[in-house]
Amino acid sequence: KAGVTQTPRYLIKTRGQQVTLSCSPISGHRSVSWYQQTPGQGLQFLFEYFSETQRNKGNFPGRFSGRQFSNSRSEMNVSTLELGDSALYLCASSLEGTSGIADTQYFGPGTRLTVL
Amino acid sequence: GQNIDQPTEMTATEGAIVQINCTYQTSGFNGLFWYQQHAGEAPTFLSYNVLDGLEEKGRFSSFLSRSKGYSYLLLKELQMKDSASYLCAVRGEGRDDKIIFGKGTRLHILP
Repeated sequence: KAGVTQTPRYLIKTRGQQVTLSCSPISGHRSVSWYQQTPGQGLQFLFEYFSETQRNKGNFPGRFSGRQFSNSRSEMNVSTLELGDSALYLCASSLEGTSGIADTQYFGPGTRLTVL
Repeated sequence: GQNIDQPTEMTATEGAIVQINCTYQTSGFNGLFWYQQHAGEAPTFLSYNVLDGLEEKGRFSSFLSRSKGYSYLLLKELQMKDSASYLCAVRGEGRDDKIIFGKGTRLHILP
């Protein structure tokens, strides 16, 4: 079974631009979560989607948004990029985003975003 | 809100045993996870606890005490390849119904 895939793997943008990142979950997984990882802050929760609905979101400004499609693929968008948005963006999928072992998340390789 | 604390760094010797602690605060509790992350790679799942007690999986074991908001990951017979960051993660309930991660414990293994 193929793992979680993320595209693109690397991205360089300038301040003020916007970016869209894509995530394809493991086949059969219906929950997708997004995290921002930086050396100082670790993994910070952005949002979680289940069956095309946002279940929860983290403490990020409204410039960060996401969505999930009927095939469970997900995208996240960051508008008006700032230097501080430079980070590794990780997507994780799970069978069911509820509780129990089915809540185990499997991570993609990430998208490394650099904002100049 | 949710909060997870774990030591920033630890050092241990090849062949030894190391215990990595994690304390958490969350509204409700719906499971605790441990992940391993090697430098430059994505986190990979190690263990899951939802009931109090010890879960053993080969060289790795994880313990949970829900009343104390406490967990530990025990690594036995350490190998050089165990040099990595170890992340503790928790799902709460209600407004904390999301999986959040601690900042991770970087484990250095000495020969």
